[in-house]
Amino acid sequence: DAGVTQSPTHLIKTRGQQVTLRCSPKSGHDTVSWYQQALGQGPQFIFQYYEEEERQRGNFPDRFSGHQFPNYSSELNVNALLLGDSALYLCASSFGSNNYGYTFGSGTRLTVV
Amino acid sequence: GDSVTQMEGPVTLSEEAFLTINCTYTATGYPSLFWYVQYPGEGLQLLLKATKADDKGSNKGFEATYRKETTSFHLEKGSVQVSDSAVYFCAPQSGGYNKLIFGAGTRLAVHP
Repeated sequence: DAGVTQSPTHLIKTRGQQVTLRCSPKSGHDTVSWYQQALGQGPQFIFQYYEEEERQRGNFPDRFSGHQFPNYSSELNVNALLLGDSALYLCASSFGSNNYGYTFGSGTRLTVV
Repeated sequence: GDSVTQMEGPVTLSEEAFLTINCTYTATGYPSLFWYVQYPGEGLQLLLKATKADDKGSNKGFEATYRKETTSFHLEKGSVQVSDSAVYFCAPQSGGYNKLIFGAGTRLAVHP
């Protein structure tokens, strides 16, 4: 049973560019959440998608946007990249908004130069 | 707002030592509580969970008890191994859609 799959694993971008990160949730899961983890810090909640809609958002600017597809996979887009956007981006999936926890992917390491 | 406080690391122990990592939280209602572990270069793995007061979560020798009166969820293990070296995150679920709230994590280093 495949868990959460994220691509790419590593990415280097230049300031001002745009980036798209991808996530396939665990089989049977319909909800996808995205987190940003800066080096040495805990993950910070970006947003959550359910039924192809963003239903909750953390304290991130509009440069961060997302999408969920009918097969429950998701994309995270970041526009006008800043050096401070360098981080590990984690995708987590769950079934609905249950209280049994989330399954995390291994993340995409984004470096902005 | 909702938050979690963990003891600062790094925590350095010898193999077979007793481990405690303290965690306290503030959250509305009665959140489910989780411990996640992150090994170098990897994502987060669910270690254990507790969904109501006085529940004890356990896995791989690790334990934590949901203490509602002290809003705490301390992680313990009786005898750590070198392979337990990782960063540990305490995380309550919060809000209408149960997002996870993370602190800075506690790095554990176990030496032979």
